[in-house]
Amino acid sequence: EAQVTQNPRYLITVTGKKLTVTCSQNMNHEYMSWYRQDPGLGLRQIYYSMNVEVTDKGDVPEGYKVSRKEKRNFPLILESPSPNQTSLYFCASSLSSSDSPLHFGNGTRLTVT
Amino acid sequence: AQSVTQLGSHVSVSEGALVLLRCNYSSSVPPYLFWYVQYPNQGLQLLLKYTSAATLVKGINGFEAEFKKSETSFHLTKPSAHMSDAAEYFCAVSGGTSYGKLTFGQGTILTVHP
Repeated sequence: EAQVTQNPRYLITVTGKKLTVTCSQNMNHEYMSWYRQDPGLGLRQIYYSMNVEVTDKGDVPEGYKVSRKEKRNFPLILESPSPNQTSLYFCASSLSSSDSPLHFGNGTRLTVT
Repeated sequence: AQSVTQLGSHVSVSEGALVLLRCNYSSSVPPYLFWYVQYPNQGLQLLLKYTSAATLVKGINGFEAEFKKSETSFHLTKPSAHMSDAAEYFCAVSGGTSYGKLTFGQGTILTVHP
């Protein structure tokens, strides 16, 4: 089954404790992206990747890191999480063209205390 | 630069009534436009997309949207609401030099009353 898999689904952590949210897709998509969803703000792009070893900032990259060492994986790293990073995070992938729809994971709900 | 504005954060309709969710966009190049739906505790699913072919686009679950360049709008409609349509709906735009940056609207929560 074609899918984007994120782990974990729920994560509670404390300020400053490094964490990684994993994302993997099995559709051989070149393009992958991370979004955060906050009430009233819709989805805002954090980082995106056009292909292996090619990443770029989205609209809200501060406090986040990503890497794309393999085509299928695109982990999101929070080196020193803060409470304002409490949010619902989505990973998505697509073929590499502007008219290609995104395939989304089921989300990771992160709480930073 | 590109942006999306969804008019109305909450829309409530009766079962069987017309659904109209409004989306206006801003883009410096011909846009690609999308509507996504999000059910509780799930990721977003594509409802339909406009990619410069027909201006009236039909999607899944009986939804359709019409691209109106003169009004910079891409409103989503469904003739008859069903209880299962209750969800949050997002309009999004991409295209041109913004390739890689899909910009979403704020979302509209649709409630369907019996």
